[in-house]
Amino acid sequence: DQQVKQNSPSLSVQEGRISILNCDYTNSMFDYFLWYKKYPAEGPTFLISISSIKDKNEDGRFTVFLNKSAKHLSLHIVPSQPGDSAVYFCAASVDGTASKLTFGTGTRLQVTL
Amino acid sequence: NAGVTQTPKFQVLKTGQSMTLQCAQDMNHNSMYWYRQDPGMGLRLIYYSASEGTTDKGEVPNGYNVSRLNKREFSLRLESAAPSQTSVYFCASSEVNGFYEQYFGPGTRLTVT
Repeated sequence: DQQVKQNSPSLSVQEGRISILNCDYTNSMFDYFLWYKKYPAEGPTFLISISSIKDKNEDGRFTVFLNKSAKHLSLHIVPSQPGDSAVYFCAASVDGTASKLTFGTGTRLQVTL
Repeated sequence: NAGVTQTPKFQVLKTGQSMTLQCAQDMNHNSMYWYRQDPGMGLRLIYYSASEGTTDKGEVPNGYNVSRLNKREFSLRLESAAPSQTSVYFCASSEVNGFYEQYFGPGTRLTVT
């Protein structure tokens, strides 16, 4: 049973446009959410997080939105750059505990020139 | 400052062979983790060590053992490798097992024939 779902395996966006990556979850106990970015042959790197007490968190070009009633979060990248081409994983945790993180399957983002 | 390092990067084993994956971090983190990533699935936690001297099972511990050798090092052992253990293995660390981001190593690609 996949508790964290990223239903789009891939996404292609033109440079300079907005990239929107989506993530849905089923466990209402999740209260802390993170996005990781992964380049080929490297480990994931932390991108941005959000606590369930917020509905938005911004960090430069990256914004995460959380809709608790819909059990949905999204990552917006504006403007998209070629260096953003990577696989993006969303993850959710109960109590913010790293050992209780559940990862989605990832979305491969391709930013084209 | 190397972050999280893993050895080896690649390994091919025959069914029934044993091996140990090594992980070390130089960030003075208390918590360390072992994940596996399989095609079409998110990262799944195998074992973790919340602090030096402690280890706990994650979501998929069967067929593995771990040792927290000291604060820096956390190893993962396959006693009798099986084809189902073919995967990419990531080690990660965090300050504590709480609201702190995890730092990942580059991964070990293991194939069991």
